[in-house]
Amino acid sequence: DMKVTQMPRYLIKRMGENVLLECGQDMSHETMYWYRQDPGLGLQLIYISYDVDSNSEGDIPKGYRVSRKKREHFSLILDSAKTNQTSVYFCASTPRDRQAPLFGEGTRLSVL
Amino acid sequence: AQSVDQPDAHVTLSEGASLELRCSYSYSAAPYLFWYVQYPGQSLQFLLKYITGDTVVKGTKGFEAEFRKSNSSFNLKKSPAHWSDSAKYFCALEGSTGGNNKLTFGQGTVLSVIP
Repeated sequence: DMKVTQMPRYLIKRMGENVLLECGQDMSHETMYWYRQDPGLGLQLIYISYDVDSNSEGDIPKGYRVSRKKREHFSLILDSAKTNQTSVYFCASTPRDRQAPLFGEGTRLSVL
Repeated sequence: AQSVDQPDAHVTLSEGASLELRCSYSYSAAPYLFWYVQYPGQSLQFLLKYITGDTVVKGTKGFEAEFRKSNSSFNLKKSPAHWSDSAKYFCALEGSTGGNNKLTFGQGTVLSVIP
């Protein structure tokens, strides 16, 4: 069954702590995304990855970095988290042939 | 640059009525367009897509959308609407040039269908 898995689903951190959000897919999709969703703002693209070690900034990359060392796994890292990074984070993946991206269940992050 | 606009933040209608959710886009080349639905507390589920060809595309859950190049729109439709269609709907555009793959979303429309 095709699935994008995000871990953890819920996370509470203090301001200044480091945060690691993980995303996995077993479909060998080349392209993966990280988005954040805030009330009234839709989904904003943070980073896009075209394959291993081939990452590109999205629309709001400031304060985030990513890592993709295996095609199946795409991590989002917040170094020294800020309270305005409290949000729901979604990961998605897609093959290159214009198939609709498949989304994970999301990670709800609270930075206190 | 690419952008998507969903001008209606909320749409409310009665069960049995026809629904149409508006989406307009801005993109200099041929767009790839998608609609997703999000139920409260859940992730996004794919409804339908337009890549090329027929301008009316049919998707899951009885939805369809019409691509109109003349006014850069991709409106979502369903008739009749059911109370279970109540959710938030997102229109999205993927760039088609230079291996872009950048997927841009509109702000979303919250649909409330009153039984």
